[in-house]
Amino acid sequence: GQNIDQPTEMTATEGAIVQINCTYQTSGFNGLFWYQQHAGEAPTFLSYNVLDGLEEKGRFSSFLSRSKGYSYLLLKELQMKDSASYLCAVMDSNYQLIWGAGTKLIIKP
Amino acid sequence: TAGITQAPTSQILAAGRSMTLRCTQDMRHNAMYWYRQDLGLGLRLIHYSNTAGTTGKGEVPDGYSVSRANTDDFPLTLASAVPSQTSVYFCASSDSPDRGNTGELFFGEGSRLTVL
Repeated sequence: GQNIDQPTEMTATEGAIVQINCTYQTSGFNGLFWYQQHAGEAPTFLSYNVLDGLEEKGRFSSFLSRSKGYSYLLLKELQMKDSASYLCAVMDSNYQLIWGAGTKLIIKP
Repeated sequence: TAGITQAPTSQILAAGRSMTLRCTQDMRHNAMYWYRQDLGLGLRLIHYSNTAGTTGKGEVPDGYSVSRANTDDFPLTLASAVPSQTSVYFCASSDSPDRGNTGELFFGEGSRLTVL
């Protein structure tokens, strides 16, 4: 079967750095996505990785290792507005997205 | 900029009644999707459409039907609602991921449905 694993919940302090991990087992691979979802709102796109390595976009970075079936999302200089759920999704060989259950990130002052 | 629009935003429905959730996008995306999101389960695909005139079943299609008469509209119908269909429903669209695009999804704001 196909599955995506990510922690259910994480807590971090304002101004700090947090790393949210995602491991996956899928039938093929056509890219990995990270989305942010604030409570009561729709998911919004954060990042896309299809090749191994680090993609940096402002305070957010995403890393991919295809051989290990592993990705992480790194959030730096945390702000209270970063409190949200972070969803990891992998596109399989049929171009279907497989979603993780999401990681709820709680930021404390 | 509209992007993708869903209606209604929320609805309370008696069990056994029918309901259609509307979804319209103005980005000319080929692919459209309907997901439901339940606490602890993440997003689950109900139905999808890769292009106008075609539809396909996702992970949890039972009790739902869709149509794709044109590029812009992708309504989701519950023929006879049951309490287990209480959920938040998201419509999404994307450029075709098998045509050199990333397949990034753009989501509507969601429709919260309660079936009593």
